[in-house]
Amino acid sequence: AQSVTQLGSHVSVSEGALVLLRCNYSSSVPPYLFWYVQYPNQGLQLLLKYTSAATLVKGINGFEAEFKKSETSFHLTKPSAHMSDAAEYFCAVSDSKAAGNKLTFGGGTRVLVKP
Amino acid sequence: DGGITQSPKYLFRKEGQNVTLSCEQNLNHDAMYWYRQDPGQGLRLIYYSQIVNDFQKGDIAEGYSVSREKKESFPLTVTSAQKNPTAFYLCASSPRTSFHEQFFGPGTRLTVL
Repeated sequence: AQSVTQLGSHVSVSEGALVLLRCNYSSSVPPYLFWYVQYPNQGLQLLLKYTSAATLVKGINGFEAEFKKSETSFHLTKPSAHMSDAAEYFCAVSDSKAAGNKLTFGGGTRVLVKP
Repeated sequence: DGGITQSPKYLFRKEGQNVTLSCEQNLNHDAMYWYRQDPGQGLRLIYYSQIVNDFQKGDIAEGYSVSREKKESFPLTVTSAQKNPTAFYLCASSPRTSFHEQFFGPGTRLTVL
């Protein structure tokens, strides 16, 4: 069974500082990995995805993530935090594109950006 | 504009009442999903459907029911058997070509009094 662990339920960063959100996964096969962002009382928006192409994936809003198979990690980074980055971030894993497949989500990391 | 709509955004019900949450998509996606979100627990899958007139239980289906009579619609009923129904409910859909890429609606916050 696949699983996702996000280290740190809350992260506080200063505006302009590096944002680093950690995600580790387990999967019996090469995974598909996703990062989603959720603003208060809204649905999830896809930030970026890894689908077995380049290991460094660039997403929207200046975010990027690197797939490291040896570490089973898919950490999300942004070089310089902006106030608008304050939200909750979810890492998710899927082990197949096939019908009947499901996404498994981590518990989420809430980001607070200090001015 | 294509997208997923969920209504209502906020819903209040008395304990013991069944309630139905609406989810409609005009993305022509084959698969649709219902998730429940509780603080600190991420998203948990309730039910999913890959095609019309067919659906499968997810990880926490007890106390919920669904139907898929139309491709565009996947309503969720929270029954009185659900012990802790107060939560944020998210609907999602994905295309046949890539079921793993899910697009989410804005959610419905259900509060049972």
